Amino acid sequence: GQQVMQIPQYQHVQEGEDFTTYCNSSTTLSNIQWYKQRPGGHPVFLIQLVKSGEVKKQKRLTFQFGEAKKNSSLHITATQTTDVGTYFCSSGGYNKLIFGAGTRLAVHP
Amino acid sequence: DGGITQSPKYLFRKEGQNVTLSCEQNLNHDAMYWYRQDPGQGLRLIYYSQIVNDFQKGDIAEGYSVSREKKESFPLTVTSAQKNPTAFYLCATRRTGDIPDTQYFGPGTRLTVL
Repeated sequence: GQQVMQIPQYQHVQEGEDFTTYCNSSTTLSNIQWYKQRPGGHPVFLIQLVKSGEVKKQKRLTFQFGEAKKNSSLHITATQTTDVGTYFCSSGGYNKLIFGAGTRLAVHP
Repeated sequence: DGGITQSPKYLFRKEGQNVTLSCEQNLNHDAMYWYRQDPGQGLRLIYYSQIVNDFQKGDIAEGYSVSREKKESFPLTVTSAQKNPTAFYLCATRRTGDIPDTQYFGPGTRLTVL
């Protein structure tokens, strides 16, 4: 079945450094979604990408969908302590989503 | 997110007992989902329902059961057949035809089996 692999599993950064997490699939994805889960919380939807090569920005967050629609990335510029949490990518069709294992981000002040 | 209620937030049960987790939504969304999350892990789909009185097994349905008698409610029963039930359980909803195709998550229930 379809799988999405997410790397790295963990990332520790100093506040102000950049951060990137990657999501990869062996098959072409119809779409890619990104969620953020704060420690002790539940996943919250960030964004969806559907077009080949699409790039979207939300303040310090930049989301990209690969040209072949097999990979995606989330880049955070100048991390802040509020960015702490686990970032998940997901993809799927009508019935259900497949989630990556997530990247846990720790930001040291 | 707002509109999805999961209760209780923390639940403790003895091994061998069945336990039912509640999920209620007032978003008028058609689809509802149950996920299991283990520490440091991603989300694994247990069951999902697209419409009332219909539901489908997810990737890890063994040891779990669900019902969907009302649009607003999708309770999950963790049976004694589930070998390792201690986990964080998340309920989610989705509005059919929504763009973007977003799932909205409830606050979750942390189940600990002693």
